[in-house]
Amino acid sequence: EIVMTQSPATLSVSPGERATLSCRGSQSISSNLAWYQQKPGQAPRLLIYGASTRATGIPARFSGSGSGTEFTLTISSLQSEDFAVYYCQQYNKWPRITFGPGTKVDIK
Amino acid sequence: QVQLVQSGGGVLQTGRSLRLSCAASGFTFRVYAMHWVRQAPGKGLEWLAAISYDGSNKYYADSLKGRFTISRDNSKNTLYLQMNSLRAEDTAIYYCARDKGDCSGPSCHYYFDYWGQGTLVTVSS
Repeated sequence: EIVMTQSPATLSVSPGERATLSCRGSQSISSNLAWYQQKPGQAPRLLIYGASTRATGIPARFSGSGSGTEFTLTISSLQSEDFAVYYCQQYNKWPRITFGPGTKVDIK
Repeated sequence: QVQLVQSGGGVLQTGRSLRLSCAASGFTFRVYAMHWVRQAPGKGLEWLAAISYDGSNKYYADSLKGRFTISRDNSKNTLYLQMNSLRAEDTAIYYCARDKGDCSGPSCHYYFDYWGQGTLVTVSS
């Protein structure tokens, strides 16, 4: 099983600031990585797939990068609606996908 | 518009069984693989099971130890999760999700582009 780790567990950021979230795989997953956003009481929402491709309707302030084992999700200027938990997901071993434990982005 | 509407959650005792449903609309259900994912209270996301577009292939997380069965009825546009021998640790919100299976580029990408609203299953002794 590919184990995904995320850091930090919690990121405190002020509105308008940049947020950088990290995700690491226990083995190479090429670019087979997605990022999801989840707000309390809601289902996850797809942000990024293929490590760097924004999903339909996702604002340009969200960007993804990386390949192999190291990945980054960057939110260039945090808006109030961006405070949420973010999960990375590998699908290199599809259909046995695995998620990271999540990074909570809260208001500083 | 694409919709995945879940039903079947509830409160039940350990050892009992429950079947969750996920009714799809707004897209051609029969051509998409589907998944179940759960989230224990205050915890992260855990992949449980996947089923191919035609139901011929099914895959499960090792942690389920054969207690859960994924199935689908393409004539009814509905995905199911049969859960048996339920334990307290199965308490979670259960989500169904559509697997995009995007092979439009040089490689295929299998991400979850639509999710159900989630249904809470509470197992207690």
